[in-house]
Parts: sequence; C-alpha cells; structure tokens
Amino acid sequence: ETGVTQTPRHLVMGMTNKKSLKCEQHLGHNAMYWYKQSAKKPLELMFVYSLEERVENNSVPSRFSPECPNSSHLFLHLHTLQPEDSALYLCASSQVGTGGITEAFFGQGTRLTVV
Amino acid sequence: AQSVAQPEDQVNVAEGNPLTVKCTYSVSGNPYLFWYVQYPNRGLQFLLKYITGDNLVKGSYGFEAEFNKSQTSFHLKKPSALVSDSALYFCAVRDMGDDKIIFGKGTRLHILP
Repeated sequence: ETGVTQTPRHLVMGMTNKKSLKCEQHLGHNAMYWYKQSAKKPLELMFVYSLEERVENNSVPSRFSPECPNSSHLFLHLHTLQPEDSALYLCASSQVGTGGITEAFFGQGTRLTVV
Repeated sequence: AQSVAQPEDQVNVAEGNPLTVKCTYSVSGNPYLFWYVQYPNRGLQFLLKYITGDNLVKGSYGFEAEFNKSQTSFHLKKPSALVSDSALYFCAVRDMGDDKIIFGKGTRLHILP
C-alpha cells in the first residue's frame, strides 16, 4: 500500500456516459496529479494540483474535468469520451515546496475502457 | 521545460548478470531524479531518488543509480539480475522549484532464466 487509493479499479463506459474517477491520499501531501498511461506511449501528465490550485493542464481535452476539493482528494470527471481515451489512469501525490519528500506516490490506477 | 529520455524500449539480461537501464534528462535548473518500477496492471512503485549529495544512490531491491551531471544521465544498475526484476522501469525528473514530475517512456527489462 502506497497511501494513495484509487476507485474504481476498472471502469467500462459508453461514449455518452458520465463517470468520475476518485483518488484519495493519506500521506499529508500538498500536491496531487493525474497521469494517463496508454499502450506503447509515454506516461502523460494530465493535471497537477498544488495546494488545491490547478497549476498545470497539459492541453487535455475538455471532456476530462478535474476537481480537487481538498488536499486529500482528487477527482477526474469524464463525459462523452472517445474509444482512444481507453487507458490506465494513475493518480499520484507528493510534497512540494521547501523541504519534505519530493518523490511521487502512485495509486494502483483505474483501467478505463470506452466502448 | 524538463524532459527525460530512455533510449531503449527493451533490455534483455541473463539472470545473475549485471544490468543497466539508461536514462538522460534535461532541466533548466537543478534536477530531482527518480526511478520507478511497474508490474502488470499495477501503479508505479518508487525505487530510488537523487536529490543532492553522493552521486551513487541506493534504493529498493538492490538497485542503485549513478547521477552524472556532465552527461545529464541517471542510469539504473544492479550487480546481479533476478528473474523477478522483469518489469517496466520509468525514469522521472523534477526541476527544483517546479511541481511537475515528468516521466520517460519506460524501458521493459526482461531477465532470462
């Protein structure tokens, strides 16, 4: 256990559905991340939240909408996805700023399949 | 902007032999460097990191990595490979003062029995 929990572990959704991925960290970190891992592609950074403010949005399509209500929780809201959005979505947390731990701790991921 | 290159898609090593997985990086400031391992259908597990100090850092499962500033490299090494080391390995970099952690494309390590 890394201290970062993602739910659900697996999700199958139609292109017209709306669903949300959830991530919770119990490490007291102040930054959280969403990454997308597709087959034969590099790990793509999608969103970064630092101190609950979004600091990075790497040109992700608007059909992905993140939400960070507090430093322990991160959501990824999904709507009208495409089949090419099928991937493993990984959540991570780390400590940013002066001192502290600097590596990221990852959840187990949500395997998303869009049909 | 920071970036990471892992030039090998796959590395094959016989069990008991030393292994090296290559990584080079690019940052504008001082780097924080990391190695992670991923087993099938799992998240990434942290192996080791370089922040400052000794260029040779030791991590989990007998792995170590050497920071070389002049060559901007951070190669992962292990003196004697095990079949259980077979997995996907990611190098990552973080620019000091930046919140982003950028990963390489990954190198699949295959240890032959």
